[in-house]
Amino acid sequence: AQSVTQLGSHVSVSEGALVLLRCNYSSSVPPYLFWYVQYPNQGLQLLLKYTTGATLVKGINGFEAEFKKSETSFHLTKPSAHMSDAAEYFCAVTLRTGANNLFFGTGTRLTVIP
Amino acid sequence: EPEVTQTPSHQVTQMGQEVILRCVPISNHLYFYWYRQILGQKVEFLVSFYNNEISEKSEIFDDQFSVERPDGSNFTLKIRSTKLEDSAMYFCASSYSEETQYFGPGTRLLVL
Repeated sequence: AQSVTQLGSHVSVSEGALVLLRCNYSSSVPPYLFWYVQYPNQGLQLLLKYTTGATLVKGINGFEAEFKKSETSFHLTKPSAHMSDAAEYFCAVTLRTGANNLFFGTGTRLTVIP
Repeated sequence: EPEVTQTPSHQVTQMGQEVILRCVPISNHLYFYWYRQILGQKVEFLVSFYNNEISEKSEIFDDQFSVERPDGSNFTLKIRSTKLEDSAMYFCASSYSEETQYFGPGTRLLVL
């Protein structure tokens, strides 16, 4: 069975500081990994994904994430937070073959302090 | 850039009434999904649809739910007899391959 754990339901950072949002997964087979962002009253927007190849993936808005198989992690980072980054961030996994429904974490709400 | 659209954006209904939520997936996509997010909770998978049939469904997707692709563009979720606990944001998603899903803006359903 697949599951996703996001440590920290709320994270606050100062503008310009490093953003680190944690995601650990459990999967019986190597999964595809995703980060989605949800701005207030909006839908889910894909930030970045890992499927194969390079384990450090870059996404939109300066975010990146690194797939670490040994740690079963896919943490999201951004070197310098911007006020517009304030949103809810969801980590998600899906199997590589067969059923491909997404399993989401509980989300992390990012607050950026001016 | 093509996007998934959903209508209506908000729907209020009385318990026991039928509702139909509509989605227009991205035009060349082959896989279609419905998810829901109860307020304050995580996004949960409901059902996936491929080649004009359900390919996977969750425990949530019971006999009160049904999906349909009535024409070449629309993808609908019907709830036959709504319950209070069906109040949630419902997201439609589509994908070209079994890889990346693109989500619509959601329909907020409130059952009174």
